[in-house]
Amino acid sequence: GAGVSQSPRYKVTKRGQDVALRCDPISGHVSLYWYRQALGQGPEFLTYFNYEAQQDKSGLPNDRFSAERPEGSISTLTIQRTEQRDSAMYRCASSLSGAGSTDTQYFGPGTRLTVL
Amino acid sequence: GENVEQHPSTLSVQEGDSAVIKCTYSDSASNYFPWYKQELGKRPQLIIDIRSNVGEKKDQRIAVTLNKTAKHFSLHITETQPEDSAVYFCAASTTGGGNKLTFGTGTQLKVEL
Repeated sequence: GAGVSQSPRYKVTKRGQDVALRCDPISGHVSLYWYRQALGQGPEFLTYFNYEAQQDKSGLPNDRFSAERPEGSISTLTIQRTEQRDSAMYRCASSLSGAGSTDTQYFGPGTRLTVL
Repeated sequence: GENVEQHPSTLSVQEGDSAVIKCTYSDSASNYFPWYKQELGKRPQLIIDIRSNVGEKKDQRIAVTLNKTAKHFSLHITETQPEDSAVYFCAASTTGGGNKLTFGTGTQLKVEL
């Protein structure tokens, strides 16, 4: 079946612009996670959803970052007033079960964001 | 919060030899420990995981061991092959924490012919 998909795969933007990154999880997966991965590093947690509820946003770097999952499926990570330090690979992952489980997280291909 | 340390950062072995990667974690509440393999330009893919109620798990050439007392876990790959060359990440999470993964810094494994 289809895995986790993300769009766009690459995004180049100018400093100060807003960007919206989309994640389409595996159908039926309850939990959705956003991570940021710097080159040569492991993914770093940003936020996660259980259905449409944002359960934890402790990893979001500052208030320029926000995320939503209004219908419990597709999620959007929005970065306002982008800065060069926001440049990274943004990955989402989904897992079948919700809060209280430790199901496998399946990662998407990521969106490579470059802020000029 | 959780902190995961991973060693070594690079590992070079001859084809057919074994490879061992070690991780330590700080949060005693962590109860789930997955290992991901990431090939160049690809997404991380789960290769094996272990939960805190067992001390060892094996899947063909790959095994993971967990020592909860010492708070460390290890990945063992036997009979390495060139296609095992990749970056390997360990991670830890807690059920109560929503299963958000804290990753180690990665190990670049190179299997030489």
